[in-house]
Amino acid sequence: QITLKESGPTLVKPTQTLTLTCTFSGFSLSTSGVGVGWIRQPPKKALEYLALIYWGDDKRYSPSLKNRLIITKDTSKNQVVLTMTNMDPVDTATYYCVHRLISGGHRAFNSWGQGILVTVSS
Amino acid sequence: DIQMTQSPSSLYASVGDRVTITCRASQSISSFLNWYQQKPGKAPELLIYGVFNLQSGVPSRFSGSGSGTHFTLTISSLQPEDFATYHCQQSYSTTWTFGQGTKVEIK
Repeated sequence: QITLKESGPTLVKPTQTLTLTCTFSGFSLSTSGVGVGWIRQPPKKALEYLALIYWGDDKRYSPSLKNRLIITKDTSKNQVVLTMTNMDPVDTATYYCVHRLISGGHRAFNSWGQGILVTVSS
Repeated sequence: DIQMTQSPSSLYASVGDRVTITCRASQSISSFLNWYQQKPGKAPELLIYGVFNLQSGVPSRFSGSGSGTHFTLTISSLQPEDFATYHCQQSYSTTWTFGQGTKVEIK
């Protein structure tokens, strides 16, 4: 059974850097084909893809946010860390950690963490 | 970025109704289209991947169709637990994008 859980600050000030940690179980990020990513959802708004890291350390970032994001993994700890710089109130959102499924050549996010609501306010 | 547009943004339906939600892509995404269900205060859950493949445990009243740029999610007979928001997502490009969501509400 795959589980993921997000942790980090729930309140950050404008211009600060946000660091979120995803701790997972039920799979290994050293296994070929595995990917772990981050999705966010501002209150009452659409889901937005942020970043994904693959078993081989390949990384894919949202083009609109790539200058502010860094995603890393610690395979020994079963953790993925997302760093977002220069936080702004518009970045207030629930941030989800996700596991990427591959099946028959198709890709989807088949497991999600419970999410962590991050508020950006002074 | 590939833009995903869902319609309608919301709809009202009754238990037992047949419900159809549409998702359009700004360019062809072949069959790389997924659907998620999200209930209030909860994380989304994968319903369908690759246009029509039901995720394990998803009831057969859910189905998906389409290809290229036009896709649909159909609920054949709406049940009380199906009132939720549905999101489409393209996985054609490695920077995945979502639709804005369709909220299915009780009439």
